[in-house]
Amino acid sequence: GQNIDQPTEMTATEGAIVQINCTYQTSGFNGLFWYQQHAGEAPTFLSYNVLDGLEEKGRFSSFLSRSKGYSYLLLKELQMKDSASYLCAVREKDYKLSFGAGTTVTVRA
Amino acid sequence: EAGVAQSPRYKIIEKRQSVAFWCNPISGHATLYWYQQILGQGPKLLIQFQNNGVVDDSQLPKDRFSAERLKGVDSTLKIQPAKLEDSAVYLCASSLFGTGGHEQYFGPGTRLTVT
Repeated sequence: GQNIDQPTEMTATEGAIVQINCTYQTSGFNGLFWYQQHAGEAPTFLSYNVLDGLEEKGRFSSFLSRSKGYSYLLLKELQMKDSASYLCAVREKDYKLSFGAGTTVTVRA
Repeated sequence: EAGVAQSPRYKIIEKRQSVAFWCNPISGHATLYWYQQILGQGPKLLIQFQNNGVVDDSQLPKDRFSAERLKGVDSTLKIQPAKLEDSAVYLCASSLFGTGGHEQYFGPGTRLTVT
């Protein structure tokens, strides 16, 4: 089973930076994913980390520390369209994916 | 390429009625998943298929939920009889591989309301 914790809500201003933290406990870690989900829509893939370190993809970066059971998603140069829920998901050795409850990010003008 | 297709998009039924959802994955994707997402929560895996075989159905309430993927392509998820707590969005996802493949592609979901 999984314990995946992430903040419920975050608010930031357009153009700013926001960091969404995710902590997890698992008996067999096999990768961590971040998905973006706009209200009423399906989740879409943002990033994947399986080794420690930072993965950068445009305005979005994701970091992983396996020893600490910790990841964060960094959103830079926030835009209004970034207002969405961000889901942290952990994959175990059996390749089953477990999702956190999601962090709702609201971007204000 | 075409994405994951699901129908219907919305369904309203009364408790104790039955309902079925359909999913057509991305062409060539061997692995298909059904998730239940209750409002304010992350998706919860109900069942995972590899081709037409079940890989994981440990969280499927088998007394009322059933799913099949007879030809290893499209899939149906059925609830019979429905309960109020089944109100949720039912998401179908597919991936190229069940193991090693990095991302799952999600369909638009079916929003079920049980009254």
